[in-house]
Amino acid sequence: EAQVTQNPRYLITVTGKKLTVTCSQNMNHEYMSWYRQDPGLGLRQIYYSMNVEVTDKGDVPEGYKVSRKEKRNFPLILESPSPNQTSLYFCASSRRASNSYNEQFFGPGTRLTVL
Amino acid sequence: AQSVTQLGSHVSVSEGALVLLRCNYSSSVPPYLFWYVQYPNQGLQLLLKYTSAATLVKGINGFEAEFKKSETSFHLTKPSAHMRDAAEYFCAVSDPGGGADGLTFGKGTHLIIQP
Repeated sequence: EAQVTQNPRYLITVTGKKLTVTCSQNMNHEYMSWYRQDPGLGLRQIYYSMNVEVTDKGDVPEGYKVSRKEKRNFPLILESPSPNQTSLYFCASSRRASNSYNEQFFGPGTRLTVL
Repeated sequence: AQSVTQLGSHVSVSEGALVLLRCNYSSSVPPYLFWYVQYPNQGLQLLLKYTSAATLVKGINGFEAEFKKSETSFHLTKPSAHMRDAAEYFCAVSDPGGGADGLTFGKGTHLIIQP
């Protein structure tokens, strides 16, 4: 089954404790992206990757890191989480960014709470 | 820069009534437009997309949307609402020139179905 998976689905942590949210897709997509969803703000892009070893900042990159060492995986790293990073996070992938009519496929989301 | 405005953060309709969710975009060129649906505790799922082939686009679950360039709108409609349509709906835009920015989302409209 074609899908985007994220782990963990739920996470409660404390300020300053490094964490990683994993994202994996099995569709051989080139483009992957991370979004955060907050009430009243919709989805905002954190980082994106056009292909392996190619990443760039989205609209709200502060406090986050990413890496793209393999095509299928795109982990999101919070080196020192803070309470304002409490949010619902979505990973998404699509075939190619250069063809912007390609739909993005979304993972199920990770609900993160930083105390 | 592109932007999307969804009028109404909450829309309530009776079961069997017409559903109308409004989306207006701002773009220097005619964009590609998407509607996504988010059911409770799930990721986003594509409902339909406009990529300049036809102005009236039919999607899944009986939804459709019409692209109106003169009004810069892409409103989502369904003739008869079902209880299972209760969800969050997002309108999104991308630049047909391609590029890395991915999708720009509206803030979402929560659709409530009254029995």
